[in-house]
Amino acid sequence: RKEVEQDPGPFNVPEGATVAFNCTYSNSASQSFFWYRQDCRKEPKLLMSVYSSGNEDGRFTAQLNRASQYISLLIRDSKLSDSATYLCVVPSQGAQKLVFGQGTRLTINP
Amino acid sequence: EPEVTQTPSHQVTQMGQEVILRCVPISNHLYFYWYRQILGQKVEFLVSFYNNEISEKSEIFDDQFSVERPDGSNFTLKIRSTKLEDSAMYFCASNPVNQPQHFGDGTRLSIL
Repeated sequence: RKEVEQDPGPFNVPEGATVAFNCTYSNSASQSFFWYRQDCRKEPKLLMSVYSSGNEDGRFTAQLNRASQYISLLIRDSKLSDSATYLCVVPSQGAQKLVFGQGTRLTINP
Repeated sequence: EPEVTQTPSHQVTQMGQEVILRCVPISNHLYFYWYRQILGQKVEFLVSFYNNEISEKSEIFDDQFSVERPDGSNFTLKIRSTKLEDSAMYFCASNPVNQPQHFGDGTRLSIL
């Protein structure tokens, strides 16, 4: 299994729809997880941190399934501004470095 | 809100030349990093820096690469003899203890 693996998409959904992405990770000892978003040719920006079973912030919900080693991100009532690449990120065990998935590209259509 | 700042935003260099990418991490952060992203590929870790020394480096970070924190604010990445395959976006990041990393807006490095 790759360290961090995501469905690259692209996902094309209409405005207002609900969309979910999954991410799997290989390091069963990982304690923290992150979703970053990246706009075209821009830097990754932290969207959510996940330290326990999940986290919710407005329209965004992240869930963690440790037994199956996957993390999901759910976006409800999607907006045009949600169009971006969503990066699943897992710190390497015992280290500060972040391991990035290849990203899932999302396009919200009007 | 404090930000990680990087300069220049775009650097064009001839192959074989040295290049220095500059970063000013957020002032109260203790951990500093360089990542790179080749066009169309995922973000890759290069090096982490803590307490004035390298704490971890990847296979990419070979003898051609070096980092330095010359004063209390700047954090630099030097590539001694650039190759075509060094063309990428280079991101600097920093974080305090046990907090997520914040990224600068990157330097696009183009090697001709």
